[in-house]
Amino acid sequence: GDSVTQMEGPVTLSEEAFLTINCTYTATGYPSLFWYVQYPGEGLQLLLKATKADDKGSNKGFEATYRKETTSFHLEKGSVQVSDSAVYFCALSEWRGQNFVFGPGTRLSVLP
Amino acid sequence: SQTIHQWPATLVQPVGSPLSLECTVEGTSNPNLYWYRQAAGRGLQLLFYSVGIGQISSEVPQNLSASRPQDRQFILSSKKLLLSDSGFYLCAWSWGSGNTGELFFGEGSRLTVL
Repeated sequence: GDSVTQMEGPVTLSEEAFLTINCTYTATGYPSLFWYVQYPGEGLQLLLKATKADDKGSNKGFEATYRKETTSFHLEKGSVQVSDSAVYFCALSEWRGQNFVFGPGTRLSVLP
Repeated sequence: SQTIHQWPATLVQPVGSPLSLECTVEGTSNPNLYWYRQAAGRGLQLLFYSVGIGQISSEVPQNLSASRPQDRQFILSSKKLLLSDSGFYLCAWSWGSGNTGELFFGEGSRLTVL
């Protein structure tokens, strides 16, 4: 079945450092790919998404590119802030979005 | 615009007691509805999803059940809670037809079973 693998962390960075969170997937078809963010005590919010190969999703300074050849969707940000501290989930969906698969989440802590 | 609400936000229950968590979506019709559980420090586990009234699919065998009595209402229940049922429960919805593949989550309900 479909699966998502991501680095589990925790990841600790200093403010203004460069961030990469790796995500790779296994899917039988052509999934849409997502990054969700969960701030402490809250539900998940969509951060960005890409629906086909070579698409780049971007939001709030975060970017991720759908790489079909390497089945990857790595999340990057050039300069993190303390407010970016959260748990980040990579996810995919197939079959008209009824089958969502999430990675285990990566906890990011940004220190001032 | 669409909104999703779930309640209660926090719940402390003794082992063996019943459970009812409720989720309501507004501003859309015939959504797909989901219940996820997030154990402490862990990822998301899909518990149930529903594509319509009375249509429930269970992903994990357990002592929990779900019901969808109305188009935009999704309820998670248990007759007798176990310690292992503690966790953060998340309701979510997605578009039914013309699906964009995005999940929209509620604020979550934290359940502690003592």
